[in-house]
Amino acid sequence: NAGVTQTPKFQVLKTGQSMTLQCAQDMNHEYMSWYRQDPGMGLRLIHYSVGAGITDQGEVPNGYNVSRSTTEDFPLRLLSAAPSQTSVYFCASSSGQGGPGKLFFGSGTQLSVL
Amino acid sequence: KNQVEQSPQSLIILEGKNCTLQCNYTVSPFSNLRWYKQDTGRGPVSLTIMTFSENTKSNGRYTATLDADTKQSSLHITASQLSDSASYICVVSAYSNDYKLSFGAGTTVTVRA
Repeated sequence: NAGVTQTPKFQVLKTGQSMTLQCAQDMNHEYMSWYRQDPGMGLRLIHYSVGAGITDQGEVPNGYNVSRSTTEDFPLRLLSAAPSQTSVYFCASSSGQGGPGKLFFGSGTQLSVL
Repeated sequence: KNQVEQSPQSLIILEGKNCTLQCNYTVSPFSNLRWYKQDTGRGPVSLTIMTFSENTKSNGRYTATLDADTKQSSLHITASQLSDSASYICVVSAYSNDYKLSFGAGTTVTVRA
């Protein structure tokens, strides 16, 4: 009954470092997505995937890479961390044809870039 | 650009009282509108999803309304409890691009005993 699992919960990076945020879901959802949440702003879509091998860019994709080799996993890679990437990151998944249905979110990763 | 505006930004209510949160959107053509509850330090959790043809939907003490003509939605919380303290987020999707949702900044509700 895990749902959407994100790791790590907290991370501190130095400018220029790279890292991968992990996201896994056990609900056999085709749609998975990554969002960032900044104070005073709505969640913004970074990248999304509608199935294994298929990814697309969202609203704020620069500086991030994704891949979807399995239905279950959708990792987010920060190529060269910048202070502007300090944020809370959420992974979400849903079933549904032709667009995301009810979204199930992970508990988030709080990232600080120094 | 599609936008979702929520008001108020925050509010404080006494336990047992009711409150109403507002959401105005400019997303077009409209597909559906969702309300999520986000507890501090947690991910959002779905409360309701409404399509164009629905003008009200309830989930326990939460009732959402939708007026697609005026592009307005509200979330009414009845008989508030301390556990209702959270951020409430309005999310709208456009019919032509259903993969990308437009999120409001949220209304922070604090319920005090």
